Amino acid sequence: DAKTTQPNSMESNEEEPVHLPCNHSTISGTDYIHWYRQLPSQGPEYVIHGLTSNVNNRMASLAIAEDRKSSTLILHRATLRDAAVYYCILKRSGGAQKLVFGQGTRLTINP
Amino acid sequence: SAVISQKPSRDICQRGTSLTIQCQVDSQVTMMFWYRQQPGQSLTLIATANQGSEATYESGFVIDKFPISRPNLTFSTLTVSNMSPEDSSIYLCSVSITGQGYDQPQHFGDGTRLSIL
Repeated sequence: DAKTTQPNSMESNEEEPVHLPCNHSTISGTDYIHWYRQLPSQGPEYVIHGLTSNVNNRMASLAIAEDRKSSTLILHRATLRDAAVYYCILKRSGGAQKLVFGQGTRLTINP
Repeated sequence: SAVISQKPSRDICQRGTSLTIQCQVDSQVTMMFWYRQQPGQSLTLIATANQGSEATYESGFVIDKFPISRPNLTFSTLTVSNMSPEDSSIYLCSVSITGQGYDQPQHFGDGTRLSIL
């Protein structure tokens, strides 16, 4: 499985945008970029995923670089409830459905 | 999305004993998975629970230690056998929804917090 690299931790302020980076320089053409987050004392929660184009949903936006070697998860207006560990995961289309979790980015939101 | 219930939510067990964790889903799903999350760590996949056949284990995990059952499309169990303090972890069940393509998200339960004395 192709590997992802994320900063260990990030900090932001409430009501400000947050940009969470992920590097995946060995991504293959059929790898989808998935983002999950894990709130304290909960199981991981799906956030968003994409292949080539930028994606938006009610939780976040996903910006994918043109060469697909990096991506950025964007939280447009952070709340205290967004404090979590965010995982960037590559999942191959048509391959095994399992998720391979890295260490993720621990996001702290200051009031 | 699917609603996943895990039982028990937490337990404290004696070393040398075994515990069976249940995962119940409110709809039929194709794939069910079991993960382990050791204290302060990320999630590691233990195995894929296959309906009607033996589970597929990841490197480092064996059936004798983590036997898994999946009798139907909505239920699975994971047993942690002959427990030692090193097995103290959160065990999580996840599922992938039937018939929606390979790039569909997984849904997770809130896990079973297991402490071994």
